[in-house]
Formats: sequence, structure tokens, C-alpha cells
Amino acid sequence: GAGVSQSPSNKVTEKGKDVELRCDPISGHTALYWYRQSLGQGLEFLIYFQGNSAPDKSGLPSDRFSAERTGGSVSTLTIQRTQQEDSAVYLCASSLGGSGEKLFFGSGTQLSVL
Amino acid sequence: KQEVTQIPAALSVPEGENLVLNCSFTDSAIYNLQWFRQDPGKGLTSLLLIQSSQREQTSGRLNASLDKSSGRSTLYIAASQPGDSATYLCAVIEGTYKYIFGTGTRLKVLA
Repeated sequence: GAGVSQSPSNKVTEKGKDVELRCDPISGHTALYWYRQSLGQGLEFLIYFQGNSAPDKSGLPSDRFSAERTGGSVSTLTIQRTQQEDSAVYLCASSLGGSGEKLFFGSGTQLSVL
Repeated sequence: KQEVTQIPAALSVPEGENLVLNCSFTDSAIYNLQWFRQDPGKGLTSLLLIQSSQREQTSGRLNASLDKSSGRSTLYIAASQPGDSATYLCAVIEGTYKYIFGTGTRLKVLA
């Protein structure tokens, strides 16, 4: 695709429900990242994929968070039993090879947990 | 642990002014450094990438410099315009893939 695409752009859910956030990276980009941005906070690293593997998932805040990537392309971030503190903007980014190249971001998913 | 700081946190300038945004980092063993802008409600847009062997990069009215030994990078914006209003973030890149972001400088250029 022309750019990194994320869906949905907005998601409102009730506490305790599961949510799935989707990221479609730039075609041909092998590296894919998930970040979280809370109001007034910096970007918090969640997970890094190289192809379908996740060599670094050290930023996932708890075992309620998981992510997968299939076909070296689309990635899904799943949050189970959502809590109010999960409310944030979830940003996906991709780069060509994961070797310090330019990082390209999607527009993010604004998650609100009521 | 790498820490990235951006000062000032917010800046307001009249149109046409030249300005400098600062980024400092605590561990000089970085791979690259990248500057981004973020518009409200949007993702980040890459502005400039400086490789660790370089000292500066230029794109249009933007110039970014890197001094690894002192742990500093600056983003120079010439002849600022209202369209430059955004939050500017720097990120240091460690170990080829780990991007560590600063908290940003919120810039407002007044017409």
C-alpha cells in the first residue's frame, strides 16, 4: 500500500471486553512496530516484528496484550479484558528492513475504555 | 538505560523566525537518530534521518545536526511558517531497530 494503514481509527469499548487493532504496513517492509501514546506522554514501545517473528516483545505491559503478524504483512494487536488505563492511541509503524532506516507511521487507533 | 530529552517542551514564535529545537540523549552508542513531526490526531511523519557517521542532514528549510560525543541533536527550522506548527519528536535508534523517543517539543508559529 501507499502508506501504513491502521483500523479502526477510533474504538470505544467497555471495561473487560477484548479489542483487536489492525495494522497494514507498507508493502515490502519487513519490520513492523507497535507503540502506545498516552495523553501527554511519549511513545511507549510495545513490540517489534521482523517478518512474522517477534524478536522483541519486551514492551508489552501485561499478558493481556498480544500481537501477531501473518504473511509478513498485516499485524493484529489484541488487548484482552481491557482496563481504563489501556486508553491511549496505538500507533503502528514499519520500516524496510529493521536496520535503522526511516520509520513510517500509521495514523493510529484511538482506544477509549469506559 | 537510554533517556531522550527534548527542551523546550513548548515554543511559540512569530512567523518568519528561525528556530532551534533541542534533543539530548544519555548514551552516545546510538545507531541513528531520526526527527519526526506529529500533527494533532495524526501519526508521526519522518522529517530527517541522520546516520551515526553523519553530522547533519538537510531537507528544504530543515537542518538537523548530530553530535554523538556530547549526546545532542538539534533541528533548525528556517523562516518558520504557520504550517510548521506541530509537535516535533526526536528518536535515537539503538541496536538497529530500537527507537527511543523523546517527549517532544510543541511548536506554534503565529501568523
